[in-house]
This record gives sequence, C-alpha cells and structure tokens, in this order.
Amino acid sequence: TQLLEQSPQFLSIQEGENLTVYCNSSSVFSSLQWYRQEPGEGPVLLVTVVTGGEVKKLKRLTFQFGDARKDSSLHITAAQPGDTGLYLCAGNYGGSQGNLIFGKGTKLSVKP
Amino acid sequence: KAGVTQTPRYLIKTRGQQVTLSCSPISGHRSVSWYQQTPGQGLQFLFEYFSETQRNKGNFPGRFSGRQFSNSRSEMNVSTLELGDSALYLCATFRDSSNTEAFFGQGTRLTVV
Repeated sequence: TQLLEQSPQFLSIQEGENLTVYCNSSSVFSSLQWYRQEPGEGPVLLVTVVTGGEVKKLKRLTFQFGDARKDSSLHITAAQPGDTGLYLCAGNYGGSQGNLIFGKGTKLSVKP
Repeated sequence: KAGVTQTPRYLIKTRGQQVTLSCSPISGHRSVSWYQQTPGQGLQFLFEYFSETQRNKGNFPGRFSGRQFSNSRSEMNVSTLELGDSALYLCATFRDSSNTEAFFGQGTRLTVV
C-alpha cells in the first residue's frame, strides 16, 4: 500500500514566521501535488511537481520534489493569517488517474 | 466557468437508511473521482469514473456504489448507513483522461445518527 506521511500534523505560528511542511513516502510517485483546504470547502490545487529535484515557487510558497521522487516539501516564507488552512500532499504512483493517494494533512494556524 | 457542484451540501440520515449524493463536473471534464474525508483517516479514494465506466474502486464495502451518466454527472450511493459513514464526501473532476490535477467540489457533509 502506497502511503504518504505528512509532518508536522499541526503547526501554530505567529505572522511573519517561516515554516516547512514535509511529505514522505517509501514509494516513487510519477507526480505529486499540494492542495490547501479551508473549513467547509474542498481542497484547492496549489502546485504539481513532476521532475525529481524540481523546485516551484508560488509567491511566498516554495515547493520541492525530492530527487528520487519519494518526498516533497512546502516552505512558506513570512506566513500570513490568510495562509491558515489544511495543507495536503497527494501523489499519483502511476495507477489510474483519479486514484490519488493523500497524506493526512498539516493543519496550519497563523496568528496575527 | 462554473466549478464542480456537489449536492446536497449537508445531510443528516439515520442508521440503516440509504443516501445518494450528486456531483456535476466542470464543463468538459469527463473524469470524476469520489473521496471520503474523515478526521482520523484523511482523504480516502472511493471510486473513479470515465465515460460512464468505473475505472477503479477503493477499499470500501459494497454498500458504497456509484455511477456516471452520459453528461458526465456522477452519483454515489451508500446503503444501510452506519455511524462510521459520517464524513465529508468530496467529488473531484479532471481535465482529461490522463491529467492528475484534481478540481474538487465543496463536498457533502453526511452525518449519520
């Protein structure tokens, strides 16, 4: 069974701090995505990484895919209260398109 | 372009009843997947449909079923509801038959009492 382990599970920080969320697996993924979910809403796609070693930036968010395509990280610089939410990583290991494997998520709270 | 629409948003059902949830994909999206989200297990894959055919099914009991119509709208049904079926049920649609970037609906919050 392919699993994605996310850490930390919870994170509470002050506005302006930096943070990193990790997503690890023992399996190789053909692609990996990061989503953000707010209470009462569905997840919203932030980024997809495909190539080992790939780094993508989305404003203050930096996403990295491990060289072996088994792990990924999300780094947020100068966090803001609007960054609060549940961050989910999801991978496709080459199985059917819609069968994404999700990590359990990192619940981030950024206090003003 | 309208997003993925799930109805109803909230449902309260009694144990033993059955329920049907609906998902209307983004126009042009023919691939639909369903997920169950609970605090303990996170998001778990239920099933996937493309062009009215079930392509894959997750590890859920036979009480969970689904279907897709010719207009790509999808429904999922849960029969003989149990307390543990209380969850947020999410529908995701995809641009084409191979793209893995999911567009999610707001979900249906099912509470079984």
